[in-house]
Amino acid sequence: AQSVSQHNHHVILSEAASLELGCNYSYGGTVNLFWYVQYPGQHLQLLLKYFSGDPLVKGIKGFEAEFIKSKFSFNLRKPSVQWSDTAEYFCAVTSPGEGNYQLIWGAGTKLIIKP
Amino acid sequence: KAGVTQTPRYLIKTRGQQVTLSCSPISGHRSVSWYQQTPGQGLQFLFEYFSETQRNKGNFPGRFSGRQFSNSRSEMNVSTLELGDSALYLCASSKGGLVEKLFFGSGTQLSVL
Repeated sequence: AQSVSQHNHHVILSEAASLELGCNYSYGGTVNLFWYVQYPGQHLQLLLKYFSGDPLVKGIKGFEAEFIKSKFSFNLRKPSVQWSDTAEYFCAVTSPGEGNYQLIWGAGTKLIIKP
Repeated sequence: KAGVTQTPRYLIKTRGQQVTLSCSPISGHRSVSWYQQTPGQGLQFLFEYFSETQRNKGNFPGRFSGRQFSNSRSEMNVSTLELGDSALYLCASSKGGLVEKLFFGSGTQLSVL
């Protein structure tokens, strides 16, 4: 079965540090890739997505992600984090299977930014 | 513009009972998808409805079912509840489907005793 792995369940950084959250998926075919974020007390919302084309995707709030097909990875990055980036981050992949599509989610990474 | 509304917010049921959860999507959105979120399994895709038809389905048993009405509102039903069904059930809506930007509701917290 297809799966999505997020390597770090908890990450603690200081403000202005650089961020990279790992995401690997298992499906070898064509995929659509997403990063969603849930800020404290808020609903899940889309940060960015990749369908095709330029493997470096830019999203909201200064986030970007790079799709590396050979590594089955879609890591999320931000050059300088802020306290307001404290949230839980989820990687997700659409994966076809038996005539339909599923949206497979990683376990999430809880990011805490120390002021 | 109103967001995605899920009712009820909390539910307590006992094993063997059935439960129905409701989701009202954003106006104009035709796709509604459902997810189960637990501390151990994370977010898991249940199914997606589009224009009253189930279009995509996850790997859940037949006890989990859903439907969508002509106004795009959706309901999810779980029959013969088990303790392991205790979870936060989220629904999300979008204009066209899973690959579009999903707008999530607050969820229904189901506890099975």
